[in-house]
Amino acid sequence: QQQVKQSPQSLIVQKGGISIINCAYENTAFDYFPWYQQFPGKGPALLIAIRPDVSEKKEGRFTISFNKSAKQFSLHIMDSQPGDSATYFCAAVPTKGDMRFGAGTRLTVKP
Amino acid sequence: KAGVTQTPRYLIKTRGQQVTLSCSPISGHRSVSWYQQTPGQGLQFLFEYFSETQRNKGNFPGRFSGRQFSNSRSEMNVSTLELGDSALYLCASRREVNSNQPQHFGDGTRLSIL
Repeated sequence: QQQVKQSPQSLIVQKGGISIINCAYENTAFDYFPWYQQFPGKGPALLIAIRPDVSEKKEGRFTISFNKSAKQFSLHIMDSQPGDSATYFCAAVPTKGDMRFGAGTRLTVKP
Repeated sequence: KAGVTQTPRYLIKTRGQQVTLSCSPISGHRSVSWYQQTPGQGLQFLFEYFSETQRNKGNFPGRFSGRQFSNSRSEMNVSTLELGDSALYLCASRREVNSNQPQHFGDGTRLSIL
């Protein structure tokens, strides 16, 4: 089964710092790469997403960088805030089949 | 616009029982997927329904089944419950079964097996 590998497993950042979460995939037949944010007791919420024909997408403080040749993509959270403390999941959506999730990164932003 | 609604939010069952979970998708969304989330295995895909037909299935035993109704609402059933079935069960909906359609999740049903 195609895998999506996510790192780090956990991340601690100071308020105002940059949080970076990385993902890599093993199959080229993915059409769409979303990131989800999950708070305790809640379901994952779609944060930002990118298609493989785009190298970067920015929405507010959140940026996805995509490297098609390396089969890697990353989430950058600029000016990280304590309210950003959550678990982040990367995912890859194939042309056919189910969405594949990374294992998740627990982000803690210290005030 | 209401989001994905899952009921019940919490459920406690004992081994051997069966359980049915319900999901109401976002209005206008015709695809519903189910996921199991556990600390050890992360998010694992169970199945996806579209137009009352199962379109895709993950690697779960036959004890896990689902169905979708004509109004796109979906139910998931787990029979002969095992301790390992304790998990957060998430439902997600999207407009169509296309790869460029984002999935939107509900807040899940927390199932605990005693």
